[in-house]
Amino acid sequence: RKEVEQDPGPFNVPEGATVAFNCTYSNSASQSFFWYRQDCRKEPKLLMSVYSSGNEDGRFTAQLNRASQYISLLIRDSKLSDSATYLCVVDGNYQLIWGAGTKLIIKP
Amino acid sequence: DAGVTQSPTHLIKTRGQQVTLRCSPKSGHDTVSWYQQALGQGPQFIFQYYEEEERQRGNFPDRFSGHQFPNYSSELNVNALLLGDSALYLCASSLVEGATPNYGYTFGSGTRLTVV
Repeated sequence: RKEVEQDPGPFNVPEGATVAFNCTYSNSASQSFFWYRQDCRKEPKLLMSVYSSGNEDGRFTAQLNRASQYISLLIRDSKLSDSATYLCVVDGNYQLIWGAGTKLIIKP
Repeated sequence: DAGVTQSPTHLIKTRGQQVTLRCSPKSGHDTVSWYQQALGQGPQFIFQYYEEEERQRGNFPDRFSGHQFPNYSSELNVNALLLGDSALYLCASSLVEGATPNYGYTFGSGTRLTVV
């Protein structure tokens, strides 16, 4: 079993729609969680951290469920510019442990 | 304020050759971590350098080695290249050993290595 698992997609979504991604992790002792965004052939960029209480940044909402060991990302009112790969990341003591990413394609 | 700088941006090597990739950390950072990202995969941790020593290592063979210099810059060396070594190699710098993305963990734009 992979340490961090994501649905690879692609998710093809019309502009303006709401889309949600989930991610599961295997190490119950993990403390910190993140969502990164990666554009084609570019480096990953931090989108947001994920907290147990849930956190929101504009159109983006992240949630953590420790009991079920999953992390979610919700994107509302999706824009063409949201097209990218979204990577779920768990802080693993000196290293970041990454999912393979979920590809999102927003269509006009 | 310069961010993390990696060089070269792209290179092509032949199987069996050796390659050296370079990373200059963000100003003020003292820790450098290297990741390999194969096509369609998430980055995989190679190793981390702090105080010129390898502090942590991921599941990579000894063909992968590194170095950190007194100015905190770092090199990643890969010997006896295989086709499977083709990937985007990412360097991340941070202020202290074990820092997380919440505290300034910064990635460079990567070196794309193609092995033919």
